[in-house]
Amino acid sequence: DTEVTQTPKHLVMGMTNKKSLKCEQHMGHRAMYWYKQKAKKPPELMFVYSYEKLSINESVPSRFSPECPNSSLLNLHLHALQPEDSALYLCASSQGEQGRETQYFGPGTRLLVL
Amino acid sequence: QKEVEQDPGPLSVPEGAIVSLNCTYSNSAFQYFMWYRQYSRKGPELLMYTYSSGNKEDGRFTAQVDKSSKYISLFIRDSQPSDSATYLCAMRHTGTASKLTFGTGTRLQVTL
Repeated sequence: DTEVTQTPKHLVMGMTNKKSLKCEQHMGHRAMYWYKQKAKKPPELMFVYSYEKLSINESVPSRFSPECPNSSLLNLHLHALQPEDSALYLCASSQGEQGRETQYFGPGTRLLVL
Repeated sequence: QKEVEQDPGPLSVPEGAIVSLNCTYSNSAFQYFMWYRQYSRKGPELLMYTYSSGNKEDGRFTAQVDKSSKYISLFIRDSQPSDSATYLCAMRHTGTASKLTFGTGTRLQVTL
């Protein structure tokens, strides 16, 4: 089973709101990722967690705050977002960061910032 | 020049046709190659994953890698309307699974 789940499926928030996106996988993968995808564009990497530690932050603004409570869960906390942050937010996981592992994506959370 | 080039389409074919989707790349350090299918408003779904030159077949799908030409292809046989989606090629260097470099995606429409 190569399933990554994400909640919520859709989210509408104002620029002053605080919300969180959640991601879960039960494949025993030790690397988890957040991506942002705008319409008609490929996914853009935001953060990578490896063995529950943040290993890559692609210079993402601080209004996005990732958290990895355990090896199966990944959160993305959102605060004071801008309308241009509206996008599909994708979570992915892989066995690890090295070797021949590849990434499996979740269905995404479609975020609209008003 | 982008590291990975992919024709954005749209590509429209009749049902039953053989579809050929292609990506070229410039960085010879890329060693692992993936094809993802993405339906509208959904997450990318891994279709094929290869790490050597040659062909890999899975049902109606064949992935082809030519490292000497820096060219990868995905062939879809007996295409179906349900194959209508955006197809993203992705690749990465040896040593890290983190940094996938994606093509822009090709939008495919299979018509009845």
